[in-house]
Amino acid sequence: SAVISQKPSRDICQRGTSLTIQCQVDSQVTMMFWYRQQPGQSLTLIATANQGSEATYESGFVIDKFPISRPNLTFSTLTVSNMSPEDSSIYLCSAGDSSNQPQHFGDGTRLSIL
Amino acid sequence: GENVEQHPSTLSVQEGDSAVIKCTYSDSASNYFPWYKQELGKGPQLIIDIRSNVGEKKDQRIAVTLNKTAKHFSLHITETQPEDSAVYFCAASMGQRTGRRALTFGSGTRLQVQP
Repeated sequence: SAVISQKPSRDICQRGTSLTIQCQVDSQVTMMFWYRQQPGQSLTLIATANQGSEATYESGFVIDKFPISRPNLTFSTLTVSNMSPEDSSIYLCSAGDSSNQPQHFGDGTRLSIL
Repeated sequence: GENVEQHPSTLSVQEGDSAVIKCTYSDSASNYFPWYKQELGKGPQLIIDIRSNVGEKKDQRIAVTLNKTAKHFSLHITETQPEDSAVYFCAASMGQRTGRRALTFGSGTRLQVQP
């Protein structure tokens, strides 16, 4: 199964700043996704990272707030822009090869905004 | 869109007992149903999955059953051990034919196995 590494693992940021989270997969994958998990809650899909084209965002998430890049089949970034305390959460990257094949997750980035 | 409901939200069992977690989904187009275990400070780890063309799958102490007609699926853990204590999530995916390939997750079940 694919091994997914996320950086940073955690960060504490000031209100109004931006942070870019990196997701690296150890093999080429078709699909990469970004999820948000608020403390004690389930996972909510932010967007699908599409290689070579703009990400596909879910309702309630917009590109200006969460710009995503996916320059190749093994790497993606998520930026959390103009952060506020409500953005404090765990951000998770997942990857897989097709919709009915296993998706694997990184250990997440734990983000706190002061 | 797809909606996945999961029950119970918390489950406490004695070591050696069985644990059952149930999920229902809303969209009959869903065809892939994974289960994840999430330990504190870690990302979700896939423990078993099932596709809509089978009704049951087993891997050692873990089994999953799927009832497509009723649109529900369940996780069964037998001979539970303290290291099974974690949060478990069910999920569903609609598959490529609908274009939405990401997973929709249930709300999670916190399983505690008492030694």
